[in-house]
Amino acid sequence: DAGVIQSPRHEVTEMGQEVTLRCKPISGHNSLFWYRQTMMRGLELLIYFNNNVPIDDSGMPEDRFSAKMPNASFSTLKIQPSEPRDSAVYFCASWRAGIGELFFGEGSRLTVL
Amino acid sequence: DAKTTQPTSMDCAEGRAANLPCNHSTISGNEYVYWYRQIHSQGPQYIIHGLKNNETNEMASLIITEDRKSSTLILPHATLRDTAVYYCIVRIPHLENKLVFGAGTILRVKS
Repeated sequence: DAGVIQSPRHEVTEMGQEVTLRCKPISGHNSLFWYRQTMMRGLELLIYFNNNVPIDDSGMPEDRFSAKMPNASFSTLKIQPSEPRDSAVYFCASWRAGIGELFFGEGSRLTVL
Repeated sequence: DAKTTQPTSMDCAEGRAANLPCNHSTISGNEYVYWYRQIHSQGPQYIIHGLKNNETNEMASLIITEDRKSSTLILPHATLRDTAVYYCIVRIPHLENKLVFGAGTILRVKS
């Protein structure tokens, strides 16, 4: 099992640029989560999907952030336009809904200059 | 989700047992206790979960008090690689399909 795969692992961009982070969940998992981690705010849940449908996006900080899940094996988190305060590590995670464990990817470290 | 309270940080000597407490005094009858940890620069990793009975796996043991208001995660023989942030979370599976992480406990294992 390849685990949750995220890309890119590192991204450095300039303020105002569009950023797209990608995630491939574990095959067979029907829930996908996007988290953001910073020193100041810790690990925050941004949005999650069940069966490709967004269920709770209350953690998305503002309209500059959007997430999609066009099929069961792919999701994107887009920031447009990016700002320096968006600098963080973004984690994608998936599970088969239920009691089981949540599997995390290795994260995408974003730096906005 | 019931609120959990964990110490900010703890130290443990290598080879000794690490006992990480978690208070969840408002836990409801159908909420499970989950433990995850996050080693520096990696995504969080599942450790163990339980409802009311003590649980053990290859990584750790989970001791839940009889009134379920608190629990302790035990790493029986801590190694330097166990240095991480440990998160205690309570959740109703099947009903709350998400995990919300608090600040956790920073465990430092020292040689």
